[in-house]
Amino acid sequence: DVKVTQSSRYLVKRTGEKVFLECVQDMDHENMFWYRQDPGLGLRLIYFSYDVKMKEKGDIPEGYSVSREKKERFSLILESASTNQTSMYLCASTLAGGAYEQYFGPGTRLTVT
Amino acid sequence: GIQVEQSPPDLILQEGANSTLRCNFSDSVNNLQWFHQNPWGQLINLFYIPSGTKQNGRLSATTVATERYSLLYISSSQTTDSGVYFCAAFRPNFGNEKLTFGTGTRLTIIP
Repeated sequence: DVKVTQSSRYLVKRTGEKVFLECVQDMDHENMFWYRQDPGLGLRLIYFSYDVKMKEKGDIPEGYSVSREKKERFSLILESASTNQTSMYLCASTLAGGAYEQYFGPGTRLTVT
Repeated sequence: GIQVEQSPPDLILQEGANSTLRCNFSDSVNNLQWFHQNPWGQLINLFYIPSGTKQNGRLSATTVATERYSLLYISSSQTTDSGVYFCAAFRPNFGNEKLTFGTGTRLTIIP
């Protein structure tokens, strides 16, 4: 079974803190994604990576950065957390090409106070 | 980019009833998936179905790629079926390999 894990289910941080969200997949997938989900706005892509050290901006990259030093791990970084980054963050992975099944982690519900 | 629309937005049913959820997409697709988001927020894969018909227990799905729609059928609904159902589609777009999600159907099963 494909397994995508995220480092935390719930996280509370203060405004201005640097926040790291970690995602690990165990299926040797080339592509990894970070989405955020907000009520009324659906799922929106923040960044995706198609290979180690490679990244592409998604629809809403502002205020975020990412790191992919190993194939199985994709990190989302909030350089200086703000209250408008309170959200559900979902990581996903898939084989290269886009036409393959995408698998999601359990999500991290981040609250910035 | 591709547009994905789901209907109905909300559905309330009695336990034991059957339901049909619809997903329309605006262009040909290489990938079409159905997900169930559970109360804890996790997206559970239901079907990977760019075309054809698949069944898994009480759930089945059909995608008619030529007519650009997919249907998810849930038979003999149980309270554990409650949650939000999303369809998502992929079409190659200048190297952007993201899925485009619909806005979801919120299903509530009443005991």
